[in-house]
Amino acid sequence: LAKTTQPISMDSYEGQEVNITCSHNNIATNDYITWYQQFPSQGPRFIIQGYKTKVTNEVASLFIPADRKSSTLSLPRVSLSDTAVYYCLVGGTSRSNDYKLSFGAGTTVTVRA
Amino acid sequence: EPEVTQTPSHQVTQMGQEVILRCVPISNHLYFYWYRQILGQKVEFLVSFYNNEISEKSEIFDDQFSVERPDGSNFTLKIRSTKLEDSAMYFCASTERASSYNEQFFGPGTRLTVL
Repeated sequence: LAKTTQPISMDSYEGQEVNITCSHNNIATNDYITWYQQFPSQGPRFIIQGYKTKVTNEVASLFIPADRKSSTLSLPRVSLSDTAVYYCLVGGTSRSNDYKLSFGAGTTVTVRA
Repeated sequence: EPEVTQTPSHQVTQMGQEVILRCVPISNHLYFYWYRQILGQKVEFLVSFYNNEISEKSEIFDDQFSVERPDGSNFTLKIRSTKLEDSAMYFCASTERASSYNEQFFGPGTRLTVL
């Protein structure tokens, strides 16, 4: 599984755009980049996934440069309820041909009023 | 929208006791997982389950742990003799197919407190 590096924490204010960059220098050809969000005392929740270029949904955008060695999750106009931990995950199937998620420490995003 | 459910939401037990954590995955999903998260730490994979057998397990998932799908809907995690260090949030997850591009749906978790 490709190792990922992302900032430990980020602070923002309501209405601002938050961009979290994840480095994954050893990403493999078959790997997708997936971001999950976790609120306190809740299970992680899928936000967005991409393979290359740009992906946008109702929650976020994901920017992936051509070399795919990094990706940036963009949260537009955050609100207090976007305060959460955001995880960047990169990987393919495991040795058993199953797929377990390997979470790192994630980025704790704190949105202030 | 379909969701994964877990019961109980909070379980308190004495060290050495057996606990069973229950999960109801999304009905058309075929792959099931248990993860745990010790307070303040990262989410850790415990075990994956497919076609009525364990497909992968981590080092954490020792002989004290077992999983079962006793019927067509429930997926359980049993800890035979709980230890203080088993105190954590336990999350069940399910997915329709096992690949890097399939979303895993997580339940709300069971907070296990071992006294």
